[in-house]
Amino acid sequence: DSGVTQTPKHLITATGQRVTLRCSPRSGDLSVYWYQQSLDQGLQFLIQYYNGEERAKGNILERFSAQQFPDLHSELNLSSLELGDSALYFCASSQSGSPHNEQFFGPGTRLTVL
Amino acid sequence: SQQGEEDPQALSIQEGENATMNCSYKTSINNLQWYRQNSGRGLVHLILIRSNEREKHSGRLRVTLDTSKKSSSLLITASRAADTASYFCATDQRGSGNTGKLIFGQGTTLQVKP
Repeated sequence: DSGVTQTPKHLITATGQRVTLRCSPRSGDLSVYWYQQSLDQGLQFLIQYYNGEERAKGNILERFSAQQFPDLHSELNLSSLELGDSALYFCASSQSGSPHNEQFFGPGTRLTVL
Repeated sequence: SQQGEEDPQALSIQEGENATMNCSYKTSINNLQWYRQNSGRGLVHLILIRSNEREKHSGRLRVTLDTSKKSSSLLITASRAADTASYFCATDQRGSGNTGKLIFGQGTTLQVKP
């Protein structure tokens, strides 16, 4: 158990819908990262938050957004869902979000878009 | 885009044998991390090696890093059936704002036969 929690574990929804994925980092970790894992793209970095502020952006679609709240939990919002958004979404946390910090991953949310 | 390429893509060995996986990357890094993923589940952090380190050990794991060749290898000694999983290398690129975001390779699928 990494100490990072993600809910829900599974999500099945339809095209065009909007979903919210939730992540609670390990106790004391200030930085949260979101990654997407799909068969064709592999594991891709989406976005990072540090202590409530966006720090880095990767291959995140404009239909996707995220935020980190004062209690440091984070939410990833996916809207206007398409079939290709079906993937495993991981959240990871690290102590400070700087280099040389290990990232600890949550169990992931498996999103299926029908 | 993927930073790392892993070799081989798939590896099948007998229990007790050693398994070696290689990772090559393209740009300068702060560190390189190895992760394990059991079928469709979360990523487990195995080891982090910094750019100024050449070798690191953790239990049955040995990681080497050659920054001149931009490559790393993960050796699992005396493998067990429980080591069956996918193994990913991930790099923290130098100069990318030093945020600690990780760029993952495509992974090596290891099967250890009992």
